[in-house]
Amino acid sequence: GQQLNQSPQSMFIQEGEDVSMNCTSSSIFNTWLWYKQDPGEGPVLLIALYKAGELTSNGRLTAQFGITRKDSFLNISASIPSDVGIYFCAGISGTSGSRLTFGEGTQLTVNP
Amino acid sequence: KAGVTQTPRYLIKTRGQQVTLSCSPISGHRSVSWYQQTPGQGLQFLFEYFSETQRNKGNFPGRFSGRQFSNSRSEMNVSTLELGDSALYLCASSTDSGRRAFFGQGTRLTVV
Repeated sequence: GQQLNQSPQSMFIQEGEDVSMNCTSSSIFNTWLWYKQDPGEGPVLLIALYKAGELTSNGRLTAQFGITRKDSFLNISASIPSDVGIYFCAGISGTSGSRLTFGEGTQLTVNP
Repeated sequence: KAGVTQTPRYLIKTRGQQVTLSCSPISGHRSVSWYQQTPGQGLQFLFEYFSETQRNKGNFPGRFSGRQFSNSRSEMNVSTLELGDSALYLCASSTDSGRRAFFGQGTRLTVV
């Protein structure tokens, strides 16, 4: 089945640093979504990408849909303590309806 | 607009029992998907309902079932509970295009 490889698994950074994480797949996706999840809560949608090469920002967050449609990355600039959480990428293929395939997540820790 | 609402937030059940979880999607959204989240397996797709019909199904045993009502509210049922069914169950609602999925807070199910 489809799988998304997300890296890194975890990151420990200082407040103010920039962060980058990415997802790769062996399959093509038509949509890439990035979510943040806090403990005990549901994932919150951060950014949605719909076209190869698309670059979209949401405040300090920027994400890109890879040209090959098999990868995506998320950058967080000038990190702050409230950025702590688990970040997930998710993809939707052309044949899966609204079915999301998720990456394993990146645990982000920000030291003040 | 109100977000996705899942009830109950927490449940404790005994092995062999059955359980029903409820999800009210965002107003106007007709697609509802269910996911199981566990530390070992991550986020796994269970099924998707659209206009009261199951549109997609993941690789879970038949003990996991769902339905959707005419007002788009959805329920998920798990029969003959096993210890391994302990997880956070998440519901996501999407517009007709299905390319942006919004999650509820989840129902934490513990099977003892």
